[in-house]
Amino acid sequence: QKEVEQDPGPLSVPEGAIVSLNCTYSNSAFQYFMWYRQYSRKGPELLMYTYSSGNKEDGRFTAQVDKSSKYISLFIRDSQPSDSATYLCAMIGGGSQGNLIFGKGTKLSVKP
Amino acid sequence: DVKVTQSSRYLVKRTGEKVFLECVQDMDHENMFWYRQDPGLGLRLIYFSYDVKMKEKGDIPEGYSVSREKKERFSLILESASTNQTSMYLCASTPHWGSTDTQYFGPGTRLTVL
Repeated sequence: QKEVEQDPGPLSVPEGAIVSLNCTYSNSAFQYFMWYRQYSRKGPELLMYTYSSGNKEDGRFTAQVDKSSKYISLFIRDSQPSDSATYLCAMIGGGSQGNLIFGKGTKLSVKP
Repeated sequence: DVKVTQSSRYLVKRTGEKVFLECVQDMDHENMFWYRQDPGLGLRLIYFSYDVKMKEKGDIPEGYSVSREKKERFSLILESASTNQTSMYLCASTPHWGSTDTQYFGPGTRLTVL
């Protein structure tokens, strides 16, 4: 079993929709969870960063972590065409010594 | 703002050529990383460095070497480029060893080996 699983999509939604992106993981030692956004032909940029279980909100974005289920989510409200990108989850902790473990990314397309 | 720059955005090389990819960060970060990103395979760690002249193999070091002569600069070297090394190469950095700080990425170098 891979350490981090992420549905690659592609996911296509109409503008204004609520988007849910998810990752599951197997290593219970992971403690820090990140979401990166990567536009086509660009490097990933940090979007959200959470520690342990719980929710974190930043504008239209909400990150959720459920450590008991080993499941993390990123919600995008009122999605915009500019949200069209690949979203990568990443996590760290438990002896990985600074190395992030990434999901493979979900490609999102928001249609106007 | 942290800035991570990579020497080239697009690069085309021939099989057997020696290729140098340069990465520079301007925030005095200790850790630097080289990844390659391929469709369906996600990001895979090639090498990382936690200090000047220090390096550690990542998940896929074969066919690559690295050099960290100065703190701000981390170079990835393809000794003899092969077509299966055609990929997007991403450099990243974090402040400290064992840090839970996020990684800051450069814009990427899209390398094509013919």
